[in-house]
Amino acid sequence: QVQLQESGPGLVKPSQTLSVTCTVSGDSVSRGNYFWTWIRQSAGKGMEWVGRVDTDGTTNYSPSLKSRVSISMDTSRNQISLRLTSVTVADTAVYFCARGPGARAAPSTDWGRGTLVTVSA
Amino acid sequence: QSALTQPPSASGSPGQSVTLSCTGTSSDIGSYNYVSWYQHRPGRAPRLMIYEVDKRYSGVSDRFSGSKFGNTASLTVSGLQADDEAAYYCSSYAGGYTLVFGGGTTLTVL
Repeated sequence: QVQLQESGPGLVKPSQTLSVTCTVSGDSVSRGNYFWTWIRQSAGKGMEWVGRVDTDGTTNYSPSLKSRVSISMDTSRNQISLRLTSVTVADTAVYFCARGPGARAAPSTDWGRGTLVTVSA
Repeated sequence: QSALTQPPSASGSPGQSVTLSCTGTSSDIGSYNYVSWYQHRPGRAPRLMIYEVDKRYSGVSDRFSGSKFGNTASLTVSGLQADDEAAYYCSSYAGGYTLVFGGGTTLTVL
């Protein structure tokens, strides 16, 4: 069974870049017909879809974050990465990595437990 | 692209039924039959419960059911059990390979 484990810096200063990683075990990130996605949860705002990367490398991002976000896949390390630039306190959240079957509107079937990233000076 | 609207809390006694609502717009819920519901307990990985409006995911109890009317989707939990206590989030496809989520409803079993 696939397992997803997020990791991150814990604390990031405003205006800096947030980088979090999802380490996958039990399956290959390059396995066909799946997508990998990042979703974040902030206090009082519920969950927010950040973006996704398909196994062919195609990415799609939330319109509200598109100018600052990038998601990539590292097949050698079996990891999915999220970078968010120019962060503000509003980017403080628990960041979840998830996987789903590759269709455009498919749900996320496998999730990690998330990693908390706090943006603060 | 706005978040879906969910009431922040709901409650019910063991054995009762409770329905959680999720309101979107004609650009998301109203346009697509791709509504999902996730259960999330603090410190644990979220769990897919319902997808494509009314399909139960593998291993999900038939006490959970989903529906949709217009721009509003609903999740009904029948025969409430203590173990159902959690936050429930809805999400909908919003076109262009994008998704939108709701703010979540915390379900309390009294």
